[in-house]
Amino acid sequence: GAVVSQHPSRVICKSGTSVKIECRSLDFQATTMFWYRQFPKQSLMLMATSNEGSKATYEQGVEKDKFLINHASLTLSTLTVTSAHPEDSSFYICSAGPAWGNQPQHFGDGTRLSIL
Amino acid sequence: DAKTTQPPSMDCAEGRAANLPCNHSTISGNEYVYWYRQIHSQGPQYIIHGLKNNETNEMASLIITEDRKSSTLILPHATLRDTAVYYCIVRGNSGGSNYKLTFGKGTLLTVNP
Repeated sequence: GAVVSQHPSRVICKSGTSVKIECRSLDFQATTMFWYRQFPKQSLMLMATSNEGSKATYEQGVEKDKFLINHASLTLSTLTVTSAHPEDSSFYICSAGPAWGNQPQHFGDGTRLSIL
Repeated sequence: DAKTTQPPSMDCAEGRAANLPCNHSTISGNEYVYWYRQIHSQGPQYIIHGLKNNETNEMASLIITEDRKSSTLILPHATLRDTAVYYCIVRGNSGGSNYKLTFGKGTLLTVNP
């Protein structure tokens, strides 16, 4: 069964709307979660590392004020796309796993975001 | 940038073994090799990982060369549902920036009936 749950699976909304995506680890406590974005016919690109109880670490070129990340508990991280515009339309995917060691990360099923 | 090189696409007949190669010539001593696959419009699915010994689980086998500069993922009896993009990723286990998963373009495996 799934060990990482992501919700919602699909969002369609108007330009200017803020959208929140949730990522939950179901079977383990995740001090670190990761957020990726994937455009059509491209690979996954890491956006940010979500750290429980502290600020997220953003990859170069990712606007932290545009993509707000909150990791308030050991099982939940949220990504909020603020004032979304059509160019933010993409497939957003989270992953979770132990922050250390060699155990693999597991991914959510992704959220398809479409901004009209 | 991804630290691995994979062929962009491969074909395999249903029921036959699928052997997916991956080059990781710059792999460091503490880095593991991970394989994931992504079926269209889904999140990546973990398959297998290893350090230097060959590994096998219910999904696949992973063969890592002795010099660790390349590996092969083997799906012993491919089915149509194995059609997906397969990603080979190297990652360390020491935390920090070494812990990220960096995805390359992967190999699109098409299993044909």
